[in-house]
Amino acid sequence: EDKVVQSPLSLVVHEGDTVTLNCSYEVTNFRSLLWYKQEKKAPTFLFMLTSSGIEKKSGRLSSILDKKELFSILNITATQTGDSAVYLCAVEGSNYKLTFGKGTLLTVNP
Amino acid sequence: DVKVTQSSRYLVKRTGEKVFLECVQDMDHENMFWYRQDPGLGLRLIYFSYDVKMKEKGDIPEGYSVSREKKERFSLILESASTNQTSMYLCASHFSGRDGEQFFGPGTRLTVL
Repeated sequence: EDKVVQSPLSLVVHEGDTVTLNCSYEVTNFRSLLWYKQEKKAPTFLFMLTSSGIEKKSGRLSSILDKKELFSILNITATQTGDSAVYLCAVEGSNYKLTFGKGTLLTVNP
Repeated sequence: DVKVTQSSRYLVKRTGEKVFLECVQDMDHENMFWYRQDPGLGLRLIYFSYDVKMKEKGDIPEGYSVSREKKERFSLILESASTNQTSMYLCASHFSGRDGEQFFGPGTRLTVL
């Protein structure tokens, strides 16, 4: 059975802090790992990672995958209150199925 | 832009009622998915479909069925709603043959009384 574990489950920081969110996984027939951001609505796509060691970057957010150790991290630098959300990690296995972790609730206080 | 719409944002039903949740996507995606999301449990896959009239069970199919009569539309059916089916239901679509991103609808928050 495919499995995704995210840590921490929740995190409270102040604006300007840097945060690192973790995602470890076990999956048969790994195809990709995805990060989503969810505010009070549907998840929105952030990154898709398929290769080890290649950093994906979008503004203050970046992510990297380690396929040998089976984990990924999502970094957010200079956090803002608008970064407050649940961050979801998912792995894509056979047949395009996504298995999600339980998410990390990030709260950024002013 | 891909658009995935769901028929209702909020729905309240009584125990034992038959409930239909509809999802429509406008990008000609082959693959469509139904998830439920519960606090502390994350998103869990109920059913998915690769094509018209095709369906596959996900991780938690019990108490649910699905219908895909047209490519753009994927319906989730609760044959006899129960209180433990109170949840947020999310539909997603995905382009076959391409890894990764599933596009999500806005969700339906279903309450079963």
